[in-house]
Formats: sequence, structure tokens, C-alpha cells
Amino acid sequence: DAGITQSPRHKVTETGTPVTLRCHQTENHRYMYWYRQDPGHGLRLIHYSYGVKDTDKGEVSDGYSVSRSKTEDFLLTLESATSSQTSVYFCAIGAGGPEAFFGQGTRLTVV
Amino acid sequence: KNEVEQSPQNLTAQEGEFITINCSYSVGISALHWLQQHPGGGIVSLFMLSSGKKKHGRLIATINIQEKHSSLHITASHPRDSAVYICAVNSGDYQLIWGAGTKLIIKP
Repeated sequence: DAGITQSPRHKVTETGTPVTLRCHQTENHRYMYWYRQDPGHGLRLIHYSYGVKDTDKGEVSDGYSVSRSKTEDFLLTLESATSSQTSVYFCAIGAGGPEAFFGQGTRLTVV
Repeated sequence: KNEVEQSPQNLTAQEGEFITINCSYSVGISALHWLQQHPGGGIVSLFMLSSGKKKHGRLIATINIQEKHSSLHITASHPRDSAVYICAVNSGDYQLIWGAGTKLIIKP
């Protein structure tokens, strides 16, 4: 299995608080992605990165920011969490290229 | 209209049955992925196809580029095959376009 881990795996937070999710890879892959998965929507791209300090928005980027200061880590930040951001978040590497590997997901609940 | 359409959305079958899940797409692609997600679980890549057919154990994936259609087949289905199967296509910009998934339940 590809070395990709997400942390935390579960989190409950209050509306208005900042939250940061971490994705760590050991594959030295250039491309990293953050998706959210909601019933009836499938997976939707939030942000992706094509290299250190190189990031771009996906289709549902509002309310989210990302950072990639080194190849192995891709951070997703909810600046001020809202209930609509309750979701399961998946990190992926290589999604869109020849191989696609996914983290185990982070279940985030905003109360 | 979604660029990637899967059918059926839900499928319930008896153990041992031959299963087919379909994926149609409307964009030009360089590759198509089939992925599996068990309830509450992570997402696992099953196949990546750009042409023809691939087989892994009881799973077979085919793609017809001209018709913009792919199928995932499961032979001798088993309850442990119960999962959501997702089709996604790479249209060439290092992003995937996702289908909505097919929820498969195999009853013993």
C-alpha cells in the first residue's frame, strides 16, 4: 500500500473554530489532493497541489485554505468551521495521473 | 448533465451472481479508474484503464474508448464484495472527474 496517512481520523469541533487536517505521504509524489465526500455528491475536489508551495483551487474551495511547505505534507485548514463543512475528507496522491492512492479519510463533525 | 455517469446507482444481488456496473463519460480521457470503498472505509484503487481489458482475481474491467463506456464485472460475487464502486476519469489536467458511485450489496 502507498504510504499516505491522514490525521486526525475523527474530529468534532465547534462552529467558528479553526481546524487543520494533515495529509502525510512517503511516496515523494508531486501531486496531492484534498476531497470531501458527502452523500449524493460523490467526491468533490477542494484544493490540490502540484509541488511545494504550488497549490490551486478545486470546485468547492470556499472556506478552505491549504499549504504545502514540503513534499510530504499537505495541510487543509478550515479558517472558521461551519456546519456545512461536516463531511468526510480524503487526501489523495497521484489522483489524475497513472496511479491514485487515497488516505483513510477524516470524519469531521462541526457542531 | 454529469460528465461521468454510473449505473445502476444501487444494486442488490445474491451471492454467486455475476455483477456488472457501468460507467459512461462525455469527455475525452487519458485514463479511467475504478475504485472501491467499503462502508466507513477508505478508497482503494482497483484498476486504471486506458484501453482494452484488465483482470484481477474475480474482478474484470473493460473500456471502449470509441463508445466512451467502461464496465466493471464481478464474477462469483461474495458478501465481502459489498461496497461502493466508483468510476473516475482523467481528462488530462491531473484531476479526476468522479462518478457518483454504485452501491453494491451482496446477500448471502
